[in-house]
Amino acid sequence: NAGVMQNPRHLVRRRGQEARLRCSPMKGHSHVYWYRQLPEEGLKFMVYLQKENIIDESGMPKERFSAEFPKEGPSILRIQQVVRGDSAAYFCASSPTLQVFDEQYFGPGTRLTVT
Amino acid sequence: GNSVTQMEGPVTLSEEAFLTINCTYTATGYPSLFWYVQYPGEGLQLLLKATKADDKGSNKGFEATYRKETTSFHLEKGSVQVSDSAVYFCALSISSGSARQLTFGSGTQLTVLP
Repeated sequence: NAGVMQNPRHLVRRRGQEARLRCSPMKGHSHVYWYRQLPEEGLKFMVYLQKENIIDESGMPKERFSAEFPKEGPSILRIQQVVRGDSAAYFCASSPTLQVFDEQYFGPGTRLTVT
Repeated sequence: GNSVTQMEGPVTLSEEAFLTINCTYTATGYPSLFWYVQYPGEGLQLLLKATKADDKGSNKGFEATYRKETTSFHLEKGSVQVSDSAVYFCALSISSGSARQLTFGSGTQLTVLP
């Protein structure tokens, strides 16, 4: 059973460009979470999605950031008009259920560098 | 709101030394508690978890006990190895409406020297 897949692993964008980060959850998992890790900091929750629905986006910046989890295909985190402050590692996680005691399984992350 | 406070690093130990990484939490309700480990360049892996008061999570020689009275979940290992060098994150999860996110501490960098 493959783990959570993220691509690309490394992404370099110039200021003003768009960044698209992809996440395929583990097989059988319908709950997807995105987290951001700034340099030398812990992970901060961004958004929680189920298939075709955004359930909780309380950690998502109000502008330039969006996320989707379509019926078919991976979840996408999209950052428009990137700025240097967006440089970070972005991690996707998935879980099989909504139970609060279930662990979330993390992907290897996408490291975004904005030049 | 919910929060997790971890002992600040970095922590440097010699092989076979005893390890303690402190973690305390603030939560409205009854959280589940987790320790995750992150090796260089990789994602987070679950190390252990505890879902109710007085539960002890354990894995690979690491242990942590859910202490409701002190709101703590300290990570311990009796004899660390070089391969334990990594960043360790304490985290909590709590049921709150539709919210299911993990709340993380800032992480503690552990380096074990041979």
